[in-house]
Amino acid sequence: NAGVTQTPKFQVLKTGQSMTLQCAQDMNHEYMSWYRQDPGMGLRLIHYSVGAGITDQGEVPNGYNVSRSTTEDFPLRLLSAAPSQTSVYFCASREGQSNEKLFFGSGTQLSVL
Amino acid sequence: KNEVEQSPQNLTAQEGEFITINCSYSVGISALHWLQQHPGGGIVSLFMLSSGKKKHGRLIATINIQEKHSSLHITASHPRDSAVYICAVVTLSGGGADGLTFGKGTHLIIQP
Repeated sequence: NAGVTQTPKFQVLKTGQSMTLQCAQDMNHEYMSWYRQDPGMGLRLIHYSVGAGITDQGEVPNGYNVSRSTTEDFPLRLLSAAPSQTSVYFCASREGQSNEKLFFGSGTQLSVL
Repeated sequence: KNEVEQSPQNLTAQEGEFITINCSYSVGISALHWLQQHPGGGIVSLFMLSSGKKKHGRLIATINIQEKHSSLHITASHPRDSAVYICAVVTLSGGGADGLTFGKGTHLIIQP
């Protein structure tokens, strides 16, 4: 049982480049989310999904796209990277909306030059 | 807007000391999570609680829903407990779009 698998662990991009952060879970969880973590700030929600085919924006969605074609996968796309997107990104999943245990990926440290 | 406040922000202690980290929040919640993040590492769930107290090894978490307060205690602290501890609440309404609001974390260092 792998839990939440997030790749890559590290990435350096030049301004304007695009990339996709991958996230997959094998627990059949409905809820999946992407967060970014910046120094001095709590985890901030980028996008989330409550099931296959359903996504919605979080607190800081600008510059990011997501899709949820299967229950297992929830990729995060940066269409045109900017230095402001330098951050640590975490994917998370849980079974339902409320009182369910949270599972996180190992994180992606992204630097945009 | 719901605020989740953690205290202290930073804590340095000696091995063996009893550690307390606090989390206060301002609106109604259905549950509260305590998470642990080691330096350069991922985030793992320690506890989820909606009332009372839970214990796992040397870690104890308590919550008082009426006072909107939770504490995480570490007994007989060890250098391997050095990490950032994050409080997250599941809000009854509002808060994060996915129902979660996170504190900024408490950075704990246990010196040998």
